[in-house]
Amino acid sequence: NAGVTQTPKFRVLKTGQSMTLLCAQDMNHEYMYWYRQDPGMGLRLIHYSVGEGTTAKGEVPDGYNVSRLKKQNFLLGLESAAPSQTSVYFCASSRGQGARVQHFGDGTRLSIL
Amino acid sequence: GDSVTQMEGPVTLSEEAFLTINCTYTATGYPSLFWYVQYPGEGLQLLLKATKADDKGSNKGFEATYRKETTSFHLEKGSVQVSDSAVYFCALSEGPGGSYIPTFGRGTSLIVHP
Repeated sequence: NAGVTQTPKFRVLKTGQSMTLLCAQDMNHEYMYWYRQDPGMGLRLIHYSVGEGTTAKGEVPDGYNVSRLKKQNFLLGLESAAPSQTSVYFCASSRGQGARVQHFGDGTRLSIL
Repeated sequence: GDSVTQMEGPVTLSEEAFLTINCTYTATGYPSLFWYVQYPGEGLQLLLKATKADDKGSNKGFEATYRKETTSFHLEKGSVQVSDSAVYFCALSEGPGGSYIPTFGRGTSLIVHP
């Protein structure tokens, strides 16, 4: 039972490069989220999706884009990476009904040089 | 908007000590309340939850009671172990018709010494 899988687990980029982080869930969850976690800042929501083909901005969306073409996948893109985007990125998913327990992946550790 | 406030850490305890991590919240409506735990190098995972007032969530010796009158959901454990060392997050999620976005506290680091 995989749950939420994030790829890659680690990545080092140079300033200005682009990349895509992939999140896949096998629980048929309606909602998916991307967070970043920085020391002393807790979790901050970047973007989220409440269904296939829909996305919305969270607290810190600038510099990121997302897509949810399939219900099970949620992609986070960095078009032109900046050192301020060095962080640990977490994807989460939840059902749309009930208590909406969040299920998290193990994170992607991204460094921008 | 909604908010969750939890005590700042780190909380440092000796093994077998009693643990309390305070959490208070503000929300419209009747949210569900959660405690998540994050072990080093891992993502957050659900520790326990409560979905209505006076419910008690429990798991692995941890407990928390949903107190609507004091808007609190304090985490307790009677005897901590070294393996409980982790970061603990209090969170809330609104019910049907409410926000799609959960609200997390900033996390409290717990360090347990042998």
